[in-house]
Amino acid sequence: GAGVSQSPRYKVAKRGQDVALRCDPISGHVSLFWYQQALGQGPEFLTYFQNEAQLDKSGLPSDRFFAERPEGSVSTLKIQRTQQEDSAVYLCASSDLTGWKLFFGSGTQLSVL
Amino acid sequence: EDKVVQSPLSLVVHEGDTVTLNCSYEVTNFRSLLWYKQEKKAPTFLFMLTSSGIEKKSGRLSSILDKKELFSILNITATQTGDSAVYLCAVEADRGSTLGRLYFGRGTQLTVWP
Repeated sequence: GAGVSQSPRYKVAKRGQDVALRCDPISGHVSLFWYQQALGQGPEFLTYFQNEAQLDKSGLPSDRFFAERPEGSVSTLKIQRTQQEDSAVYLCASSDLTGWKLFFGSGTQLSVL
Repeated sequence: EDKVVQSPLSLVVHEGDTVTLNCSYEVTNFRSLLWYKQEKKAPTFLFMLTSSGIEKKSGRLSSILDKKELFSILNITATQTGDSAVYLCAVEADRGSTLGRLYFGRGTQLTVWP
């Protein structure tokens, strides 16, 4: 596609629900990142994929967060048993193998009530 | 602990003014410093800086990096209302296999009044 596409744009969840956020990167981009951006803060790294391999998941805040990219293109970030502190914008970004220029999607704004 | 600090956190100016946004960093294994403009949600790339003292320019925007003092500035001249956005500074650190992992500052919220 022309850019990084994320869905849904907005998600409201009740505390304790599971959610799944989707990212469709730019076609051919090898690297894919997930970032979490809380209100008034800069984005914080969650996890990194190179093709289908999850090479770095050191930023995932707890074992309730899980990400996958099974075929090396579309990625899903899953949050189990959501809590209020999970409320944030979740940004996905992709890049080619050089990795230096990230293209960001418009994010999914998650609100946990 | 790696950190990126931006100042000011917010800035309100009138059209035509010139602004300077600051970014200081402490990051192990520095690779590059990047500036992004964030309107609504998606950050869009402005500049990448890797060498000290070399100014990057794009229209009314320019940026420079000082690797000795560990800071960068982003200048916007003759500001326009369309420049209103959050400007994010990010530092890329060499983390082995993770190319492109960025450490972001909190951003500077710039508001330009007509």
